[in-house]
Amino acid sequence: QVQLQESGPGLVKPSETLSLTCTVSGASISSYYWSWIRQPPGKGLEWIGHIYYSGSTNYNPSLRTRVTISVDTSKNQFSLKLSSVTAADTAVYYCARSSAFDIWGQGTMVTVSS
Amino acid sequence: EIVLTQSPGTLSLSPGERATLSCRASQSFSSTYLAWYQQKPGQAPRLLIYGASSRATGIPDRFSGSGSGTDFTLTISRLEPEDFAVYYCLQYGSSPRTFGQGTKVEI
Repeated sequence: QVQLQESGPGLVKPSETLSLTCTVSGASISSYYWSWIRQPPGKGLEWIGHIYYSGSTNYNPSLRTRVTISVDTSKNQFSLKLSSVTAADTAVYYCARSSAFDIWGQGTMVTVSS
Repeated sequence: EIVLTQSPGTLSLSPGERATLSCRASQSFSSTYLAWYQQKPGQAPRLLIYGASSRATGIPDRFSGSGSGTDFTLTISRLEPEDFAVYYCLQYGSSPRTFGQGTKVEI
């Protein structure tokens, strides 16, 4: 079955760049859109953006100036970079298959702290 | 941006009872693009309903969705102990995708 797995540092310093990767197994990334979604502790879900295997992207306007999502079809992976992070970016970050987010990774907690 | 408002914030019920959760949108959109999720503590959300009324693979038929335009409903016909969780609605027809703030179904 299709599985998604997030990976990356669990601690990022303020003003630095958060970098995460999502590895897709059980299916080719060369179909569907692939999204990043986050959830601050005790709060709701926020869509960050998505990418198509061709590289076409769409970002949440609230984060657009700081977000870059990229894809590596050779590795069946897509990645998230979020620059100039602050404590407000502390959250569990999920990758998911779009469009209806039918498959999710388990999530990875990222804490922004010095 | 389409804002989704869920009500109530918390629903206190007992096993065997019926749960009715509401999701209201700030503007009308196609029901094709409305989904519901269940989230338990420490877990990723799980897709329950897509297209407003289609159950996802493996979802029991006690879960049903309905609605159109700006008003959508998730109904759990008879609550099982494992149904106590937080439920979110999502619209995925326009950008940015937006979630409701969640309804907690508690015992």
